[in-house]
Amino acid sequence: NAGVTQTPKFQVLKTGQSMTLQCAQDMNHNSMYWYRQDPGMGLRLIYYSASEGTTDKGEVPNGYNVSRLNKREFSLRLESAAPSQTSVYFCASSEQSDTQYFGPGTRLTVL
Amino acid sequence: GQQLNQSPQSMFIQEGEDVSMNCTSSSIFNTWLWYKQDPGEGPVLLIALYKAGELTSNGRLTAQFGTTRKDSFLNISASIPSDVGIYFCAGRVYGTASKLTFGTGTRLQVTL
Repeated sequence: NAGVTQTPKFQVLKTGQSMTLQCAQDMNHNSMYWYRQDPGMGLRLIYYSASEGTTDKGEVPNGYNVSRLNKREFSLRLESAAPSQTSVYFCASSEQSDTQYFGPGTRLTVL
Repeated sequence: GQQLNQSPQSMFIQEGEDVSMNCTSSSIFNTWLWYKQDPGEGPVLLIALYKAGELTSNGRLTAQFGTTRKDSFLNISASIPSDVGIYFCAGRVYGTASKLTFGTGTRLQVTL
């Protein structure tokens, strides 16, 4: 039981490049989330998916898109990366609405 | 959006000391959570609180749901080196289903 896994662990992009961050969970959870973490700002919700087939915007959705591919997988896409998107990205999942289980994070640098 | 103010921002303490940190909100929450993040890892849930005035312990950790529903407190007794990390509070507002709002974190460093 791996919990929540994220790939890649590290990524460096040039401004304007695109990439997809992958997330998978093996706990059969209905809800999945994408957060970004910046120094001094805690975790901010980008997008979430309350159940398979649904996605909703969080606090900071601009510049991102998501896909809930199936119950296990929830991907985050940056279509045209900007330096302001340099951050650590965390995926999380939950069955109930409060106990969220987090992945190890993806550290993204946009030059 | 919601604002969660967490204090202190950082703490340097000696092993064996007790630690207190708190979180305040501009709005009422119906659930308060406390997470710990180790370096290079994702946050891990420590304690969940569901009722105003509730006091819950998890080993050396004790957290309280403030009676106004706008604050929460976390205490760590007899700190040890493995307590090092960043502690986050998080709250959930009535009617927002799965969405949590996180505090800015308290970075704890323990010296021997």
